[in-house]
Amino acid sequence: DIQMTQSPSTLSASIGDRVTITCRASQNINRWLAWYQQKPGTAPKLVISVASSLENGVPSRFSGSGSGTEFTLTISSLQPDDLATYYCQQYQSYSLTFGQGTRLEIK
Amino acid sequence: QVQLVEWGGDVVQPGKSLRLSCTASGFTFSGHAMHWVRQAPGKGPEWVAAISDDGNDKYYADSVKGRFTISRDNSKNTLNLQMNSLRTEDTSLYYCARADCNTIECKRTDYWGLGTLVTVSS
Repeated sequence: DIQMTQSPSTLSASIGDRVTITCRASQNINRWLAWYQQKPGTAPKLVISVASSLENGVPSRFSGSGSGTEFTLTISSLQPDDLATYYCQQYQSYSLTFGQGTRLEIK
Repeated sequence: QVQLVEWGGDVVQPGKSLRLSCTASGFTFSGHAMHWVRQAPGKGPEWVAAISDDGNDKYYADSVKGRFTISRDNSKNTLNLQMNSLRTEDTSLYYCARADCNTIECKRTDYWGLGTLVTVSS
């Protein structure tokens, strides 16, 4: 199985900060990478797919980049509503695998 | 709008069986592959199984292969997960998720339900 490694595991930032989360795949997944946002007590919500394609309704302050084995999720100006845990997921091949998550905290 | 409602979760003893279901609405169920994904308390999501739109193609995670069976009834807009020989490590919130196209190679999941809780404990 393809292993997905996220960093950091916890990120504390202030409102208005630019924040970046990194995801590394254990092998080439081209651009078959999705980012999910999970708020406490809710299901994961698809935010970005194909590494950089923003889902409908997701604020433009979110962006994704990368290909191959290195990917990033960036929030250009952190807002209170962004408090959540973020997971990357590869969907290059079965078994689909997720990163361990990055918990985003507001300072 | 797309709605996925899972049900069937319960508290069961190790070694027992349980059947989960997911009722879909708001889209053409028979035109989409479907997935089950689970999430243990305090952990990240873990993909479990996938099924093509017509039910002919299926994939399973190694952790459930041979114990779990995914199926669907397109006449009832329902996705199922038969879970046998349950283990304590199967304790999780189980989500059904819609794939964005129809074949088993459709691995991008764009809508998830709220989940149903399975607790395996003696």
